[in-house]
Amino acid sequence: EAGVVQSPRYKIIEKKQPVAFWCNPISGHNTLYWYLQNLGQGPELLIRYENEEAVDDSQLPKDRFSAERLKGVDSTLKIQPAELGDSAVYLCASSSTSGRGGNEQFFGPGTRLTVL
Amino acid sequence: QKEVEQNSGPLSVPEGAIASLNCTYSDRGSQSFFWYRQYSGKSPELIMFIYSNGDKEDGRFTAQLNKASQYVSLLIRDSQPSDSATYLCAVPSASYQKVTFGIGTKLQVIP
Repeated sequence: EAGVVQSPRYKIIEKKQPVAFWCNPISGHNTLYWYLQNLGQGPELLIRYENEEAVDDSQLPKDRFSAERLKGVDSTLKIQPAELGDSAVYLCASSSTSGRGGNEQFFGPGTRLTVL
Repeated sequence: QKEVEQNSGPLSVPEGAIASLNCTYSDRGSQSFFWYRQYSGKSPELIMFIYSNGDKEDGRFTAQLNKASQYVSLLIRDSQPSDSATYLCAVPSASYQKVTFGIGTKLQVIP
């Protein structure tokens, strides 16, 4: 069984530039999460999808961040424009039980973003 | 009070010793608790979960839960250098609508 796939693995951009991250969850997992992880910190939830519906985006900075999961499978997270403070690892995770955030989450390898 | 609290460490133990990692949480309604291991530069991977008060053992790992004290711990017996990693405690809210991760405890097993 393939794991959670993310691309790119690394991205270096200049501030004010746009950037996009892509995630393909484990087949059959209807719940998809985007997390941000700073060095020395735990993952912080940005947005959670149940199928194609964003059910928790309260921590997503909506002035510059956007996300979509149009067909309820893969997802894209976008930042426009990027700021220096956005430098972090962006993790995507998926789980198989609808409506519950408490089940086992499988994480992708993450995208390490550096904003110069 | 933070929703999920962990000591960031580092916790240093000699090879073969028992490593004890602790986590406290604030939501009394939380019903399930997860421990993830994260190697440097890698993504978190689930190693244990526990729902009921008491102990749950899986190989060298034992999770302990005390809901009255809002405390969950992870014991690693016969610690190996390969156990050196950051251990994240994750606690879903009572409604399972949100999962909060702790800051993680960095464990160093000294050969």
